[in-house]
Amino acid sequence: AQKVTQAQTEISVVEKEDVTLDCVYETRDTTYYLFWYKQPPSGELVFLIRRNSFDEQNEISGRYSWNFQKSTSSFNFTITASQVVDSAVYFCALSEEGYGGSQGNLIFGKGTKLSVKP
Amino acid sequence: EAGVTQFPSHSVIEKGQTVTLRCDPISGHDNLYWYRRVMGKEIKFLLHFVKESKQDESGMPNNRFLAERTGGTYSTLKVQPAELEDSGVYFCASSQGTGHSPLHFGNGTRLTVT
Repeated sequence: AQKVTQAQTEISVVEKEDVTLDCVYETRDTTYYLFWYKQPPSGELVFLIRRNSFDEQNEISGRYSWNFQKSTSSFNFTITASQVVDSAVYFCALSEEGYGGSQGNLIFGKGTKLSVKP
Repeated sequence: EAGVTQFPSHSVIEKGQTVTLRCDPISGHDNLYWYRRVMGKEIKFLLHFVKESKQDESGMPNNRFLAERTGGTYSTLKVQPAELEDSGVYFCASSQGTGHSPLHFGNGTRLTVT
């Protein structure tokens, strides 16, 4: 069965610290997509990144980096030198190859609430 | 470009009443999704429209929920009659293209059934 686990419910760090948000997924598909979304206090979910199952290269975007490891079914997200504006709930999600209409339907983890204190 | 907009942002109704949520997707996005987050649980998929057609409604909890997307533009999600367990945040999202394009989410509608 497909599932996304974000074991960290809440994390609190002090500004400028590095922080890693964990994401572990389960799927039987060989083709799938992994996503991270950010939910700031305003409420909307903001897309951060999408990776497909055939691309295990790590990705860096500014202070954000993602480590995708199929061997451990993990897709972890690291924020370097965290800032107060990074405070939000972060969701990891899985989309399986599916068929027809089920393509693109996201399976979410419960989210990790990150608080960055000045 | 305007984002996905949802209305209302909050709704408080009594058990047994009817509520209609509205979602305006990003213009030109054929795919429209409804998701729901019940307190303390994961965000769960409800259904997926492609234009005006329901592509997948496997996540709809029961027949008290009715979604429509007339003309392939905005969508409504009606809950009738509402029950206490329907409380949560209802998100709408849209995307362009097919398959696994990133979804653009609205701010959500927080529904409280008392």
